[in-house]
Amino acid sequence: EVQLVESGGDLVQPGGSLRLSCAASGFTFSSYSMHWVRQAPEKGPVWVSRINSDGSSTSYADSVKGRFTISRDNAKNTLYLQMNSLRAEDTAVYYCARAGSGYTFDIWGQGTMVTVSS
Amino acid sequence: QSALTQPASVSGSPGQSITISCTGTSSDVGSYNLVSWYQQHPGEAPKLMIYEGSKRPSGVSNRFSGSKSGNTASLTISGLQAEDEADYYCCSFAGSDSWVFGGGTKLTVL
Repeated sequence: EVQLVESGGDLVQPGGSLRLSCAASGFTFSSYSMHWVRQAPEKGPVWVSRINSDGSSTSYADSVKGRFTISRDNAKNTLYLQMNSLRAEDTAVYYCARAGSGYTFDIWGQGTMVTVSS
Repeated sequence: QSALTQPASVSGSPGQSITISCTGTSSDVGSYNLVSWYQQHPGEAPKLMIYEGSKRPSGVSNRFSGSKSGNTASLTISGLQAEDEADYYCCSFAGSDSWVFGGGTKLTVL
């Protein structure tokens, strides 16, 4: 079964850091680009970041550029998101998603909640 | 990058058809045939329903269809069923390796 499982979400103070992980199984992880997408409570999803299959190319939404870093370990079938200088507006459920045909997000994890609050 | 514009809510009775619009700009929806649609039930992750404007992934009912004209994409659901009640989001590739989602439409099956 194709599956993505996120972990690492937590309550963190403004200015703090957090690292999210996404464990992939059921497909050849190293063949796919991967994304992080977040969704604030009662809001629509927002694309956060993308990494290509071998990790050599990354892109970020303007709102997180310079603060977040996406990376991957293909030997461990795991995607990461390092989040620094966190702000209240970063509060959301963070999903990892596989890049599908036609520039889509074809497989999603169940999400992990990040709350930034003092 | 501003979010794509969707109606906040739509409703329909079982068996009827509804259409959800998604309006972007010439920089996203209008420039690429790369609009996708996602269904999200409460407490669940989004699920891909339509890609490249009108294509359905394997396993998605043919009651779901998509189209695009200019800067506006549309999702039509025919033969409404109770299980179609959910939030629906459009998404477009926006160039420069970036994506933009819509604000979402809540579908109520009466």
